[in-house]
Amino acid sequence: KNEVEQSPQNLTAQEGEFITINCSYSVGISALHWLQQHPGGGIVSLFMLSSGKKKHGRLIATINIQEKHSSLHITASHPRDSAVYICAVSLGSQGNLIFGKGTKLSVKP
Amino acid sequence: DTEVTQTPKHLVMGMTNKKSLKCEQHMGHRAMYWYKQKAKKPPELMFVYSYEKLSINESVPSRFSPECPNSSLLNLHLHALQPEDSALYLCASSLQGGGIQETQYFGPGTRLLVL
Repeated sequence: KNEVEQSPQNLTAQEGEFITINCSYSVGISALHWLQQHPGGGIVSLFMLSSGKKKHGRLIATINIQEKHSSLHITASHPRDSAVYICAVSLGSQGNLIFGKGTKLSVKP
Repeated sequence: DTEVTQTPKHLVMGMTNKKSLKCEQHMGHRAMYWYKQKAKKPPELMFVYSYEKLSINESVPSRFSPECPNSSLLNLHLHALQPEDSALYLCASSLQGGGIQETQYFGPGTRLLVL
């Protein structure tokens, strides 16, 4: 069983829709990261969370430590949001990340 | 400067070649990472350097040899690779490493093709 599970694997949305991507993990973590990877490879760190909720522009990330679950929300989605969104956890021993398989988001105009 | 740079962007090499990938950051970060990413898969950690010392080697074959000559620079030396080593190689850095909650900053990657 993967230590980090994401759902859905693929998501297609119309421009303007509210989007939610979920992440569950099975181990104790020191932090959870949401990352964005565009075609071509570059990875951008969106959020690092250890509790509660963070907001940056149209992106909101929440985490429930007791339930070992995090969500990434995108409000008023736009075609430029099309990318792979990856959930990753750091376990605290060395700081290295364990990645989920990613959610491929496609936002249609 | 919040950028991690990687060179080259693309690399094609034969199985008998020796080549090197280079990663550089000037953010004062003391932890640097090499990841390997196959198509449609998440990145897999290869190596972690913390304060210029190798702190994690995720059982990577010896045909991959990392080197951290100074705190700003991380190299990955490649020798006698196999076609299945073709992948996107990503470098990342963070402030200190060592289990502290830190954001990792990723480079754009080097896309490697082994013929």
